Amino acid sequence: RKEVEQDPGPFNVPEGATVAFNCTYSNSASQSFFWYRQDCRKEPKLLMSVYSSGNEDGRFTAQLNRASQYISLLIRDSKLSDSATYLCVVNIRVTGGGNKLTFGTGTQLKVEL
Amino acid sequence: DTGVSQDPRHKITKRGQNVTFRCDPISEHNRLYWYRQTLGQGPEFLTYFQNEAQLEKSRLLSDRFSAERPKGSFSTLEIQRTEQGDSAMYLCARGTSGLGGTGELFFGEGSRLTVL
Repeated sequence: RKEVEQDPGPFNVPEGATVAFNCTYSNSASQSFFWYRQDCRKEPKLLMSVYSSGNEDGRFTAQLNRASQYISLLIRDSKLSDSATYLCVVNIRVTGGGNKLTFGTGTQLKVEL
Repeated sequence: DTGVSQDPRHKITKRGQNVTFRCDPISEHNRLYWYRQTLGQGPEFLTYFQNEAQLEKSRLLSDRFSAERPKGSFSTLEIQRTEQGDSAMYLCARGTSGLGGTGELFFGEGSRLTVL
């Protein structure tokens, strides 16, 4: 079983649609959680952190359920520019205070006219 | 600009050859990471440095792989006797400052390796 599991998609949605991505993780010792965005043939970049209380950044809302080991990302009013791969990421602190991020395979989103 | 420069951006080599990738964080960050990403997969952790000390290594890092960060600034990742399965994007990343930081990593643009 993979440590972080996501539906690979692709999700093809019309502009203006609301789309939700889900992710589960297996390591209950995971300490922090993120969504990263990766454009085609580019490096991953942080989209937002994810907290148990839920957090929102403009059109993006992220939610964490530690009991179920489940993470979600909701994108409202999707734009063409949202087309990318969305990577679910969990973090465990390692020796020396560093961070070991474990990435899911990513969910591909295509927003269409 | 994430403050991480990688070189070369692309490398094509024949099976059995050795390759070396270099990572330069623009300013000195004590934590530096290497990841590998194959097509259709998320990045996979390879190794982590705090200053010049290599503190974590993934079991993915076979004996053919070696990483160094001799002065705690730039880092190199060498692959000896390359195999076709080594074809991937090799990503270097820096962490944020402070104890543990926020968990956010800033990735370079990567070095894409193709082994023929």
